[in-house]
Amino acid sequence: DAGVIQSPRHEVTEMGQEVTLRCKPISGHNSLFWYRQTMMRGLELLIYFNNNVPIDDSGMPEDRFSAKMPNASFSTLKIQPSEPRDSAVYFCASSLVRDRGETQYFGPGTRLLVL
Amino acid sequence: KNEVEQSPQNLTAQEGEFITINCSYSVGISALHWLQQHPGGGIVSLFMLSSGKKKHGRLIATINIQEKHSSLHITASHPRDSAVYICAVRLAQTLFGNEKLTFGTGTRLTIIP
Repeated sequence: DAGVIQSPRHEVTEMGQEVTLRCKPISGHNSLFWYRQTMMRGLELLIYFNNNVPIDDSGMPEDRFSAKMPNASFSTLKIQPSEPRDSAVYFCASSLVRDRGETQYFGPGTRLLVL
Repeated sequence: KNEVEQSPQNLTAQEGEFITINCSYSVGISALHWLQQHPGGGIVSLFMLSSGKKKHGRLIATINIQEKHSSLHITASHPRDSAVYICAVRLAQTLFGNEKLTFGTGTRLTIIP
């Protein structure tokens, strides 16, 4: 299996532009997570989907952030408009949740820089 | 105060030394994860445990639910073990199917040849 796939791996954009991050989870996994990592705050959960349905979006910072999962093999995280404080590494992870506390498999991350 | 605290924040050791990284949490949990983040940035899940001890190669993870404490041990450490080790917990009060993790700030381990 190719593992969790994220694109792009790096993104540099200017403040105010729309940014779309993409994630393909491991085939057969039923849960998908979007995380943000910064030096100041470490790893934070942004949103979590189970069977394509958002379960917990309490970590989404504000209305500028939105996430979708139209099917089991694809998810997007969109920032519109982007701001310099959104600069971070964004990770997508997936897992097969059959019971509580399953192992999560992380993608390589997208390093975002907003100028 | 963070719900998940790790110590030490930074650790430098010589190759071959026995390493211990600690994680304490202040809330009830249903599971605890240990993650490894390499200098290149990739994150790998090492262990998921809810009780007792797990071992994988030179890595051992233990958890004491009563004391709200977990340790990650590395035996015969090697420079390739150099990474950031992150503890994360799944809170006990979360609903079934809610896999939200709360993360510690990580321990940066450097093993010198």
